[in-house]
Amino acid sequence: DIVMTQSPDSLALSLGERATINCKSSQSVLYSSNKRNYLTWYQQKPGQPPKMLIYWASTRESGVPDRFSGAGSGTDFTLTISSLQAEDVAVYYCQQYYSSPPTFGQGTKVEIK
Amino acid sequence: EVQLVESGGGFVQPGGSRRLSCVASGFPFSNYEMSWVRQAPGKGLEWVSYISSGGTSIYYADSVRGRFTISRDNVKNSLFLQMTTLRAEDTAVYYCARGVGGHDYGTNAFDIWGQGTMVTVSS
Repeated sequence: DIVMTQSPDSLALSLGERATINCKSSQSVLYSSNKRNYLTWYQQKPGQPPKMLIYWASTRESGVPDRFSGAGSGTDFTLTISSLQAEDVAVYYCQQYYSSPPTFGQGTKVEIK
Repeated sequence: EVQLVESGGGFVQPGGSRRLSCVASGFPFSNYEMSWVRQAPGKGLEWVSYISSGGTSIYYADSVRGRFTISRDNVKNSLFLQMTTLRAEDTAVYYCARGVGGHDYGTNAFDIWGQGTMVTVSS
């Protein structure tokens, strides 16, 4: 199974600050046939199901604010919130869908300082 | 509105059984791969099981293989998870999720999630 490791486990930032979450996979999730990275990011607010933010590592889901961006390729990925808002308080998960079983990172909790 | 609604959760004793259901609406259910994903209290997300759009390909996590059975009824737009020989470590919120984007069976991201149904295994 591909192991997904996120860092940090949590971060606390002031409103308007930039948040960066890292995700590392134990093997490449780049599919050579189509040059796509099979990596997605979710946001989960308390008491709610996860919500897809980013797929193919860098494509924003419809309706997701453009302050959220994804980058990276192969085994190293980042989710960036360019200017942290109060409504962004949540746990963020990366997930690979390159191979079965699909696996998730352990989550990164984002809070307001 | 695209929606998934789970039901069937509750309290069950260790060794017992439970059947979860998920009803889909707002999209052509029979065209989509589906999965169950669970989340233990205060923990992260764990994929549990996958079923292809036609129901012919099925996968399970090692932790549930041989105890859980996934199925679907494309006429009734429904997904099911039959859980047997339940253990305390199966206690979790169980989500049904719509699969997208995979390049092979069992490889999906999940773009639509239900609200989840809680299963508590305790004596």
